[in-house]
Amino acid sequence: KAGVTQTPRYLIKTRGQQVTLSCSPISGHRSVSWYQQTPGQGLQFLFEYFSETQRNKGNFPGRFSGRQFSNSRSEMNVSTLELGDSALYLCASSSEGDTQYFGPGTRLTVL
Amino acid sequence: AQRVTQPEKLLSVFKGAPVELKCNYSYSGSPELFWYVQYSRQRLQLLLRHISRESIKGFTADLNKGETSFHLKKPFAQEEDSAMYYCALSGETSGSRLTFGEGTQLTVNP
Repeated sequence: KAGVTQTPRYLIKTRGQQVTLSCSPISGHRSVSWYQQTPGQGLQFLFEYFSETQRNKGNFPGRFSGRQFSNSRSEMNVSTLELGDSALYLCASSSEGDTQYFGPGTRLTVL
Repeated sequence: AQRVTQPEKLLSVFKGAPVELKCNYSYSGSPELFWYVQYSRQRLQLLLRHISRESIKGFTADLNKGETSFHLKKPFAQEEDSAMYYCALSGETSGSRLTFGEGTQLTVNP
């Protein structure tokens, strides 16, 4: 089985711009979760999608949003980028109640 | 609220020595606990979860509900164990949401 893939792997944006990150889960996995990883805050949960519905949401501002498509692929969007949004964004997929498998992440740098 | 604490940011041991990475949690219900590992330049991967009660790569972890701990242990550390280790918790009503600790960077010296 192919693992979780994330595109792009690296991204450089400037403050005020918006960005869209993509995640393709393992085939058959319907749950996709997103996490932000920074040196200061560690790994923090953003949101989870299951069967195209947001099932869980972390404590992030409304600038962070996501969606899931019928093929379980997911995208997350960050609008009005701030310097503090620079981070590694990880996506994880799982079958219901099973182990989460993580992707390699997208490294976002905001200048 | 759920919370995971890993008190040691850095841990350094010699090859062949025992190693214990500490993890304490706060959760009012029955949590599921995990250890994830991130080797250099590799993606985050599951090491073990408490419900499976497996030993992976010589590591074991026992859930102690009285002390709300889930410490990771290995009797004889190897150089290839050097990595970042994260303890994580999933609550009964949190779906797939994981709450991670801050992580412990383990270095095994030759």
